[in-house]
Amino acid sequence: KQEVTQIPAALSVPEGENLVLNCSFTDSAIYNLQWFRQDPGKGLTSLLLIQSSQREQTSGRLNASLDKSSGRSTLYIAASQPGDSATYLCAVPLAGGTSYGKLTFGQGTILTVHP
Amino acid sequence: KAGVTQTPRYLIKTRGQQVTLSCSPISGHRSVSWYQQTPGQGLQFLFEYFSETQRNKGNFPGRFSGRQFSNSRSEMNVSTLELGDSALYLCASSGFYGRTGEKLFFGSGTQLSVL
Repeated sequence: KQEVTQIPAALSVPEGENLVLNCSFTDSAIYNLQWFRQDPGKGLTSLLLIQSSQREQTSGRLNASLDKSSGRSTLYIAASQPGDSATYLCAVPLAGGTSYGKLTFGQGTILTVHP
Repeated sequence: KAGVTQTPRYLIKTRGQQVTLSCSPISGHRSVSWYQQTPGQGLQFLFEYFSETQRNKGNFPGRFSGRQFSNSRSEMNVSTLELGDSALYLCASSGFYGRTGEKLFFGSGTQLSVL
Protein backbone atom coordinates (compact mmCIF):
# COMPACT_ATOMS: atom_id res chain seq x y z
CA LYS A 1 0.00 0.00 0.00
CA GLN A 2 1.38 3.38 -1.00
CA GLU A 3 1.91 5.87 1.81
CA VAL A 4 2.87 9.48 1.31
CA THR A 5 4.34 11.61 4.07
CA GLN A 6 4.97 15.34 4.03
CA ILE A 7 7.31 17.21 6.31
CA PRO A 8 6.93 19.68 7.93
CA ALA A 9 3.22 19.70 8.69
CA ALA A 10 3.29 23.48 9.02
CA LEU A 11 5.80 26.17 8.24
CA SER A 12 5.80 29.89 8.97
CA VAL A 13 8.40 32.11 7.34
CA PRO A 14 9.00 35.81 6.74
CA GLU A 15 8.55 37.14 3.26
CA GLY A 16 11.56 36.72 0.99
CA GLU A 17 12.86 33.48 2.43
CA ASN A 18 13.68 30.47 0.29
CA LEU A 19 12.08 27.31 1.59
CA VAL A 20 11.89 23.58 1.00
CA LEU A 21 8.92 21.27 1.44
CA ASN A 22 9.50 17.54 1.64
CA CYS A 23 7.51 14.58 0.41
CA SER A 24 8.33 10.89 0.78
CA PHE A 25 6.56 7.82 -0.58
CA THR A 26 6.93 4.15 0.23
CA ASP A 27 6.41 2.49 -3.17
CA SER A 28 8.79 3.72 -5.87
CA ALA A 29 6.75 2.21 -8.74
CA ILE A 30 5.13 5.50 -9.69
CA TYR A 31 4.32 7.08 -13.04
CA ASN A 32 4.90 10.61 -11.83
CA LEU A 33 4.56 12.89 -8.85
CA GLN A 34 2.47 16.03 -8.65
CA TRP A 35 2.63 18.99 -6.34
CA PHE A 36 -0.61 20.82 -5.69
CA ARG A 37 -1.59 24.00 -3.93
CA GLN A 38 -4.86 24.36 -2.03
CA ASP A 39 -6.29 27.58 -0.68
CA PRO A 40 -8.75 27.31 2.25
CA GLY A 41 -12.09 25.82 1.21
CA LYS A 42 -11.04 25.58 -2.40
CA GLY A 43 -10.04 22.91 -4.86
CA LEU A 44 -6.51 21.91 -5.78
CA THR A 45 -4.32 23.64 -8.33
CA SER A 46 -1.61 21.58 -9.97
CA LEU A 47 1.75 23.32 -9.63
CA LEU A 48 4.24 20.89 -11.07
CA LEU A 49 4.21 17.37 -12.44
CA ILE A 50 7.43 15.36 -12.61
CA GLN A 51 7.55 12.27 -14.78
CA SER A 52 9.15 9.19 -13.29
CA SER A 53 12.00 9.51 -15.80
CA GLN A 54 12.71 13.13 -14.85
CA ARG A 55 14.76 14.53 -12.00
CA GLU A 56 13.17 17.95 -11.69
CA GLN A 57 10.68 20.47 -13.03
CA THR A 58 10.66 24.23 -12.75
CA SER A 59 7.93 26.82 -13.01
CA GLY A 60 8.74 30.39 -12.09
CA ARG A 61 9.88 30.49 -8.47
CA LEU A 62 9.01 26.83 -7.96
CA ASN A 63 11.34 23.89 -8.48
CA ALA A 64 10.41 20.31 -7.73
CA SER A 65 12.84 17.41 -7.67
CA LEU A 66 12.21 13.68 -7.68
CA ASP A 67 14.42 10.83 -6.48
CA LYS A 68 12.47 7.66 -7.16
CA SER A 69 15.06 5.31 -5.76
CA SER A 70 14.94 6.94 -2.34
CA GLY A 71 11.21 7.67 -2.51
CA ARG A 72 11.59 11.41 -2.06
CA SER A 73 10.56 14.67 -3.65
CA THR A 74 11.19 18.27 -2.64
CA LEU A 75 9.42 21.46 -3.58
CA TYR A 76 11.66 24.51 -3.45
CA ILE A 77 10.02 27.94 -3.31
CA ALA A 78 12.31 30.87 -3.95
CA ALA A 79 11.79 34.36 -2.55
CA SER A 80 8.53 33.49 -0.82
CA GLN A 81 5.64 35.97 -0.87
CA PRO A 82 2.51 36.32 1.30
CA GLY A 83 0.47 35.13 -1.68
CA ASP A 84 2.27 31.79 -1.44
CA SER A 85 0.43 31.08 1.81
CA ALA A 86 -1.59 27.91 1.24
CA THR A 87 -1.50 24.16 1.85
CA TYR A 88 0.89 22.30 -0.41
CA LEU A 89 0.19 18.66 -1.21
CA CYS A 90 2.16 16.05 -3.05
CA ALA A 91 0.48 13.08 -4.69
CA VAL A 92 1.49 9.97 -6.59
CA PRO A 93 -0.41 7.48 -8.74
CA LEU A 94 0.74 3.89 -8.65
CA ALA A 95 2.14 2.32 -11.78
CA GLY A 96 -0.09 -0.32 -13.24
CA GLY A 97 -2.79 -0.50 -15.85
CA THR A 98 -5.81 0.66 -13.90
CA SER A 99 -4.51 2.85 -11.16
CA TYR A 100 -3.44 5.96 -13.01
CA GLY A 101 -6.36 8.16 -11.99
CA LYS A 102 -6.10 7.13 -8.36
CA LEU A 103 -3.79 9.44 -6.50
CA THR A 104 -2.47 8.93 -3.01
CA PHE A 105 -1.97 12.25 -1.25
CA GLY A 106 0.19 13.35 1.60
CA GLN A 107 -1.40 15.23 4.47
CA GLY A 108 0.04 18.49 3.23
CA THR A 109 2.26 21.27 4.50
CA ILE A 110 0.48 24.42 5.66
CA LEU A 111 2.65 27.34 4.61
CA THR A 112 2.27 30.83 6.04
CA VAL A 113 4.40 33.64 4.65
CA HIS A 114 4.13 36.78 6.73
CA PRO A 115 5.06 40.26 5.53
CA LYS B 1 -11.19 26.18 -21.84
CA ALA B 2 -13.59 26.08 -18.93
CA GLY B 3 -12.29 24.25 -15.90
CA VAL B 4 -13.87 21.43 -13.94
CA THR B 5 -17.27 22.52 -12.69
CA GLN B 6 -18.86 21.09 -9.58
CA THR B 7 -22.38 21.79 -8.40
CA PRO B 8 -23.69 22.65 -5.95
CA ARG B 9 -20.96 24.54 -4.12
CA TYR B 10 -22.53 24.02 -0.71
CA LEU B 11 -25.05 21.52 0.62
CA ILE B 12 -26.65 21.05 4.00
CA LYS B 13 -28.43 17.78 4.67
CA THR B 14 -29.67 15.86 7.68
CA ARG B 15 -28.76 12.36 8.74
CA GLY B 16 -30.50 9.64 6.78
CA GLN B 17 -31.04 11.74 3.66
CA GLN B 18 -29.35 11.11 0.37
CA VAL B 19 -27.42 13.54 -1.81
CA THR B 20 -26.26 13.77 -5.42
CA LEU B 21 -23.25 15.82 -6.45
CA SER B 22 -22.44 16.75 -10.03
CA CYS B 23 -19.18 17.22 -11.90
CA SER B 24 -18.59 18.48 -15.44
CA PRO B 25 -15.03 17.76 -16.59
CA ILE B 26 -12.90 19.88 -18.86
CA SER B 27 -14.12 19.57 -22.44
CA GLY B 28 -12.46 16.59 -24.08
CA HIS B 29 -11.47 14.92 -20.83
CA ARG B 30 -12.82 11.41 -20.47
CA SER B 31 -11.54 10.42 -17.03
CA VAL B 32 -13.24 11.68 -13.87
CA SER B 33 -12.15 10.91 -10.33
CA TRP B 34 -13.80 11.76 -7.02
CA TYR B 35 -12.11 12.47 -3.71
CA GLN B 36 -13.31 13.15 -0.18
CA GLN B 37 -11.38 15.62 1.94
CA THR B 38 -11.76 15.89 5.71
CA PRO B 39 -9.53 17.54 8.31
CA GLY B 40 -8.82 14.21 9.98
CA GLN B 41 -8.31 11.89 7.02
CA GLY B 42 -7.09 14.32 4.39
CA LEU B 43 -7.77 13.54 0.75
CA GLN B 44 -9.09 10.06 0.07
CA PHE B 45 -9.87 8.51 -3.28
CA LEU B 46 -13.49 7.51 -3.84
CA PHE B 47 -13.73 6.24 -7.43
CA GLU B 48 -12.66 6.86 -10.99
CA TYR B 49 -14.64 6.65 -14.20
CA PHE B 50 -13.54 6.43 -17.80
CA SER B 51 -15.93 6.16 -20.73
CA GLU B 52 -18.88 5.48 -18.41
CA THR B 53 -17.07 2.59 -16.69
CA GLN B 54 -15.83 2.56 -13.12
CA ARG B 55 -12.14 1.68 -13.30
CA ASN B 56 -11.10 2.11 -9.68
CA LYS B 57 -12.84 2.25 -6.35
CA GLY B 58 -11.52 3.37 -2.99
CA ASN B 59 -12.28 1.93 0.43
CA PHE B 60 -15.67 3.50 1.04
CA PRO B 61 -18.93 1.77 1.97
CA GLY B 62 -21.54 0.95 -0.63
CA ARG B 63 -23.54 4.04 0.36
CA PHE B 64 -21.15 5.92 -1.89
CA SER B 65 -21.81 5.38 -5.56
CA GLY B 66 -21.22 7.17 -8.81
CA ARG B 67 -21.77 7.12 -12.50
CA GLN B 68 -20.54 8.75 -15.66
CA PHE B 69 -22.62 9.77 -18.63
CA SER B 70 -21.80 9.59 -22.32
CA ASN B 71 -20.77 13.27 -22.31
CA SER B 72 -18.24 12.47 -19.53
CA ARG B 73 -20.21 14.36 -16.89
CA SER B 74 -20.26 12.48 -13.63
CA GLU B 75 -22.42 12.28 -10.54
CA MET B 76 -21.80 10.79 -7.16
CA ASN B 77 -24.49 9.78 -4.74
CA VAL B 78 -24.35 9.23 -1.02
CA SER B 79 -27.32 7.48 0.54
CA THR B 80 -28.32 7.33 4.18
CA LEU B 81 -26.08 10.20 5.15
CA GLU B 82 -24.08 10.04 8.37
CA LEU B 83 -22.49 12.87 10.33
CA GLY B 84 -19.07 11.59 9.30
CA ASP B 85 -19.90 12.18 5.64
CA SER B 86 -19.48 15.92 6.19
CA ALA B 87 -16.57 16.82 3.94
CA LEU B 88 -15.36 18.65 0.89
CA TYR B 89 -16.00 16.45 -2.14
CA LEU B 90 -13.63 17.11 -5.01
CA CYS B 91 -13.87 16.02 -8.59
CA ALA B 92 -10.92 15.87 -10.96
CA SER B 93 -10.61 15.21 -14.67
CA SER B 94 -7.78 14.20 -16.95
CA GLY B 95 -7.36 13.63 -20.64
CA PHE B 96 -6.35 10.24 -21.92
CA TYR B 97 -6.67 7.34 -19.52
CA GLY B 98 -3.47 5.45 -18.90
CA ARG B 99 -1.24 7.99 -20.55
CA THR B 100 1.61 9.01 -18.30
CA GLY B 101 2.25 12.65 -17.72
CA GLU B 102 -1.39 13.67 -17.52
CA LYS B 103 -2.18 16.21 -14.87
CA LEU B 104 -5.32 16.02 -12.84
CA PHE B 105 -7.42 19.17 -12.88
CA PHE B 106 -9.63 19.68 -9.86
CA GLY B 107 -12.90 21.50 -9.41
CA SER B 108 -13.60 23.82 -6.48
CA GLY B 109 -15.50 21.10 -4.68
CA THR B 110 -18.85 20.66 -2.99
CA GLN B 111 -18.86 21.33 0.73
CA LEU B 112 -21.34 18.90 2.30
CA SER B 113 -22.52 19.42 5.86
CA VAL B 114 -24.60 16.70 7.49
CA LEU B 115 -26.57 17.80 10.56
